[in-house]
Amino acid sequence: GEKVEQHESTLSVREGDSAVINCTYTDTASSYFPWYKQEAGKSLHFVIDIRSNVDRKQSQRLTVLLDKKAKRFSLHITATQPEDSAIYFCAASRTGGYKVVFGSGTRLLVSP
Amino acid sequence: GALVYQYPRRTICKSGTSMRMECQAVGFQATSVAWYRQSPQKTFELIALSTVNSAIKYEQNFTQEKFPISHPNLSFSSMTVLNAYLEDRGLYLCGAREGEDEQYFGPGTRLTVL
Repeated sequence: GEKVEQHESTLSVREGDSAVINCTYTDTASSYFPWYKQEAGKSLHFVIDIRSNVDRKQSQRLTVLLDKKAKRFSLHITATQPEDSAIYFCAASRTGGYKVVFGSGTRLLVSP
Repeated sequence: GALVYQYPRRTICKSGTSMRMECQAVGFQATSVAWYRQSPQKTFELIALSTVNSAIKYEQNFTQEKFPISHPNLSFSSMTVLNAYLEDRGLYLCGAREGEDEQYFGPGTRLTVL
């Protein structure tokens, strides 16, 4: 079955810097790649997603890149703020199959 | 907009007892509902996926005998943790989708087992 690997377990940046979180997946049939944020003690909050018909999607300070050939996708956060600090989870899913497989999470720490 | 509610938000049960949690979708039709567990310091493991008009599919290490799920209509699902033990503690998330749209997650039910 699908396996999603999230390469950075912790990422520390200074406020205003950029942060990049990388994920890889194994199932070539995966076509939907959402990202979620979990703040301390809270549930998941949808951040941004990308589908396999594009290789880039931007929403304000967030950009997701998808490299289908390498089976790799990444979340780029520019101009980071302390409130961006949280655990970020990448995930992958087939469109027909509904099962969403999560990565292990990356703890992003943005220091003032 | 689309919202998913979960009840209760937190619960404590004694070891060996059972606990039922509920998930309600508002603003869309939950044609599929997935239940996940996040054990302490871990990621989200899929327990089972329920799709209307299909059998509920359980992942390896999770069984219907331990985590019976009901998905009687397009807005509601429930799951029970039977004979809960320490290893069952964690945050249980319900994720609901309409067709191939984005999966919306509820706030979770945090289970503590004493």
